[in-house]
Amino acid sequence: QVQLQESGPGLVKPSQTLSLTCTVSGGSISSGLYYWSWIRQPAGKGLEWIGLIYSSGSTKYNPSLKSRVTISVDTSKNQLSLKLSSVTAADTAVYYCARVNTYESSGENAFDIWGQGTMVTVSS
Amino acid sequence: QSALTQPRSVSGSPGQSVTISCTGTSSDVGDYDYVSWFQQHPGKAPKLMIYDVTKRPSGVPDRFSGSKSGNTASLTISGLQAEDEADYYCCSYAGSVVFGGGTKLTVL
Repeated sequence: QVQLQESGPGLVKPSQTLSLTCTVSGGSISSGLYYWSWIRQPAGKGLEWIGLIYSSGSTKYNPSLKSRVTISVDTSKNQLSLKLSSVTAADTAVYYCARVNTYESSGENAFDIWGQGTMVTVSS
Repeated sequence: QSALTQPRSVSGSPGQSVTISCTGTSSDVGDYDYVSWFQQHPGKAPKLMIYDVTKRPSGVPDRFSGSKSGNTASLTISGLQAEDEADYYCCSYAGSVVFGGGTKLTVL
């Protein structure tokens, strides 16, 4: 059974870079059947898609965050990573990694497995 | 893509049916059959309930169903149960991914 676990600093200073890791267990991150995505949720608010990485290694980002976001995969560690630069208080949120099931759907929004989420606060 | 529009809240009594709407545009919901729905209980990660407008992942009760008409997708929950009380989010894919603002379902 595939499980995802996010990890990283819970506190980041303004203007710095937020770096998170998502460890995939119970399956290979290299499977061509799935893509991998990051989604965030500010406290008491809705979900915001950050971006995804395809099995080819290419990426797609939310246009509103594109200039600050980098998503990558380390297949040797079976990990997905997120880097968000020049953070402000508006980036304070719970960050989730999620698997995109392309086996069942041709779309890119069948997020069928999620991590538990990790809270990141941007504050000095 | 702009965020999809959902009602802030809906409610229903146990055993009843409720429908949550999700309105987009002719460029997203209206043009693609890639609408998914997620259930989120407080403090928990979202759970996929519906994908590709009408499809249910394994393990999701058939009380949950999805549909679409024009630019509006809908999630219907029949035979409402106490554990259905949660936030529900719609999500569309039309080259990029966008979520709705979320709907709080209260079971009276």
